[in-house]
Amino acid sequence: SQQGEEDPQALSIQEGENATMNCSYKTSINNLQWYRQNSGRGLVHLILIRSNEREKHSGRLRVTLDTSKKSSSLLITASRAADTASYFCATAGSSNDYKLSFGAGTTVTVRA
Amino acid sequence: GAGVSQSPSNKVTEKGKDVELRCDPISGHTALYWYRQSLGQGLEFLIYFQGNSAPDKSGLPSDRFSAERTGGSVSTLTIQRTQQEDSAVYLCASSSGTAFYEQYFGPGTRLTVT
Repeated sequence: SQQGEEDPQALSIQEGENATMNCSYKTSINNLQWYRQNSGRGLVHLILIRSNEREKHSGRLRVTLDTSKKSSSLLITASRAADTASYFCATAGSSNDYKLSFGAGTTVTVRA
Repeated sequence: GAGVSQSPSNKVTEKGKDVELRCDPISGHTALYWYRQSLGQGLEFLIYFQGNSAPDKSGLPSDRFSAERTGGSVSTLTIQRTQQEDSAVYLCASSSGTAFYEQYFGPGTRLTVT
């Protein structure tokens, strides 16, 4: 069953703008990950944040985690057309949890 | 190999027919996963293989679904007597033995049951 829920479901922005999407989950986690999916195909792992971390950066990506609110956000700065994709959060309940629980995703469209 | 590969990329079949979907994981990855993604939805876990251990089949939706992994490498997901609700993208992923959290996904097989 899905644990993560992304918000908004869809987002349309102009190239160069920032895109922010949120993920809320229900049960305690060991880590949370963000994935990108282009054209309904394979997922690409973007970033992982552990439950004892509050913020993480990778290039133009910034992820925050608030375990008290059971929520995470993904910020993409200075967006590009190539960032057009669906973004999913996935949670793992423990470090040995291989059954990642995915949300339904946020579809981001970056307009040129 | 360079990444996880899956075949076929697209499969259209008639209701009631059997289908086989193939996954080639990254060389050296001992863990292999199958997920299903219905239109506009997140991924639904189906099955997990780890080395020579018994697979975790807890996500398979019905006994029409089965999977095997030969020689600890290639895996085949078989759906018997396909139904229209089986239409989805079937994604395979692999990871190294202990890094469950870093799963590398294949491009998926889009299955359409008519």
